[in-house]
Amino acid sequence: DADVTQTPRNRITKTGKRIMLECSQTKGHDRMYWYRQDPGLGLRLIYYSFDVKDINKGEISDGYSVSRQAQAKFSLSLESAIPNQTALYFCATSGLQNTGELFFGEGSRLTVL
Amino acid sequence: AQSVTQPDIHITVSEGASLELRCNYSYGATPYLFWYVQSPGQGLQLLLKYFSGDTLVQGIKGFEAEFKRSQSSFNLRKPSVHWSDAAEYFCAVVMNFGNEKLTFGTGTRLTIIP
Repeated sequence: DADVTQTPRNRITKTGKRIMLECSQTKGHDRMYWYRQDPGLGLRLIYYSFDVKDINKGEISDGYSVSRQAQAKFSLSLESAIPNQTALYFCATSGLQNTGELFFGEGSRLTVL
Repeated sequence: AQSVTQPDIHITVSEGASLELRCNYSYGATPYLFWYVQSPGQGLQLLLKYFSGDTLVQGIKGFEAEFKRSQSSFNLRKPSVHWSDAAEYFCAVVMNFGNEKLTFGTGTRLTIIP
């Protein structure tokens, strides 16, 4: 089983719908991240959390919210999806050793029509 | 603000040939530098990283990278590519630990031809 699991892997939805992407990890890491990947733009940080009580905005947090339900779970929500949120979303984790290494899930591809 | 540039969007290399992927960063001090690889349909995996010390670092899968302060570069190399190296490669930087907010380049897609 994957250490970082994202669900759903693929989702097609309509403009205005609420969408939640879920991430769970078995690595025992405290730090979790949500990134968005768009062709030609690389990965951009949406939100990150260093522990259950800590939530921080990344560079492109507008239109998104997150919830850290437990050390192992970090969910990303789109309250009212719009077409330009169509992208590949990645959850990642890192440990406290400050090595800078992130461990990624396999991604959730979201299409907003 | 820190930034990282990967000037090559797409590179095609013959199997067995050597490879060099370019990465340039913009930051006043020496950042912490990383190369990640994304195979098709997969998440990203760390290839190698540079924090300090020896400017030539070895990574997994036979890759290496060289930090050149004078050129603000951290280019990725492999002496002989294999078909399984076809993937997208991302250079990333972080200014300082404690936030671990990696800034990624836009990626270079590598195609291997027989």
